[in-house]
Amino acid sequence: DVKVTQSSRYLVKRTGEKVFLECVQDMDHENMFWYRQDPGLGLRLIYFSYDVKMKEKGDIPEGYSVSREKKERFSLILESASTNQTSMYLCASSLPTFRDTKAGAFFGQGTRLTVV
Amino acid sequence: AQSVTQLDSQVPVFEEAPVELRCNYSSSVSVYLFWYVQYPNQGLQLLLKYLSGSTLVKGINGFEAEFNKSQTSFHLRKPSVHISDTAEYFCAVSEGNNDYKLSFGAGTTVTVRA
Repeated sequence: DVKVTQSSRYLVKRTGEKVFLECVQDMDHENMFWYRQDPGLGLRLIYFSYDVKMKEKGDIPEGYSVSREKKERFSLILESASTNQTSMYLCASSLPTFRDTKAGAFFGQGTRLTVV
Repeated sequence: AQSVTQLDSQVPVFEEAPVELRCNYSSSVSVYLFWYVQYPNQGLQLLLKYLSGSTLVKGINGFEAEFNKSQTSFHLRKPSVHISDTAEYFCAVSEGNNDYKLSFGAGTTVTVRA
């Protein structure tokens, strides 16, 4: 069974703290993603990585950074957490392209982050 | 750039009734289309996908979707829903020339009542 595991289901952090969200996949996928999910807005892409140490900004990268030192692990970093970053964060992984008939993105369970 | 519109934010439906969730996209190139389901307090799970070939796609749990290129739509249907189908459903699109990223719609919440 394929697995994408996010280190925390729930987090509460204070404004201004540096926050790390961790994600690990066991499928040897090249691509990994961080999305933010908010009611009425669906999922919005924060950052994407297609290889170790390689990253690409998504649609809403401001206030976030990422790290991918190993193929299986992709970390999302909130440099200085703010209340408007309170949200559900979803990590995903996939093969290099969606043209592969086995493809789809596989998602973790999500981390619900509250910034107070 | 592509956009994905899910035309209904909430769909209440009675058990054993049919349901249709509408999804339209805007893209000038070839696309790959997906429907995902999110049960309460869980991540997203792939229901079905259209990559090429037959425009009618069958997925898990009795769901199916039809790709209509002229109407740029990919509507999801199930002929008879169960209480356990209560969830949020997301339509997603990947463009042929950018086929490593997904763009998601805002989601449709389906509530099945007895």
